[in-house]
Amino acid sequence: AQSVTQLDSHVSVSEGTPVLLRCNYSSSYSPSLFWYVQHPNKGLQLLLKYTSAATLVKGINGFEAEFKKSETSFHLTKPSAHMSDAAEYFCVVSRNYGGSQGNLIFGKGTKLSVKP
Amino acid sequence: NAGVMQNPRHLVRRRGQEARLRCSPMKGHSHVYWYRQLPEEGLKFMVYLQKENIIDESGMPKERFSAEFPKEGPSILRIQQVVRGDSAAYFCASSPNADKFSYEQYFGPGTRLTVT
Repeated sequence: AQSVTQLDSHVSVSEGTPVLLRCNYSSSYSPSLFWYVQHPNKGLQLLLKYTSAATLVKGINGFEAEFKKSETSFHLTKPSAHMSDAAEYFCVVSRNYGGSQGNLIFGKGTKLSVKP
Repeated sequence: NAGVMQNPRHLVRRRGQEARLRCSPMKGHSHVYWYRQLPEEGLKFMVYLQKENIIDESGMPKERFSAEFPKEGPSILRIQQVVRGDSAAYFCASSPNADKFSYEQYFGPGTRLTVT
């Protein structure tokens, strides 16, 4: 069975400082992993995805994530936070149907606050 | 290429009424997923449909909830005899081909259901 655990429910950083949002996963198969962002009262936008190619994945808006199989982690980072990054971030694993992609399994989310 | 469309964006129903939520997937997408987001929680999978078929409904409540994705027209999530606990944001997502790991899901803006 697949699952994800987001280790922090809330992260606060100052503008211009690095961002680290932590995620651990559990998967019986080689997983597909994603990070989505949700701004208040908005839908979800895909930031980046890992699908067994390069372990360092670059996404939109300067975000990137590194897949570490030995640590079962997929942490999201950004070198320098911007005020517009304030949002809720979800780490997601794709459920697999014996090789076929299925529904997404979401972590509980991490709310990122950015202070001026 | 229009994204995933959901309507209505906001829906208010009294207890006991029916709620119908509609989702039009992206052009060329034949797989639709419904998720529910309760306040302060991540998204929870409800049902996965292809045209005229329900592939996985393991996340659907056993009573009052149903979903369809007809050959023509949008996917419909139907909630009969709504109760206050049904108040949530309901998101629809679509993907082009569920046989490949690499295809992420594209989300609509959601329908926010309020039961009074």
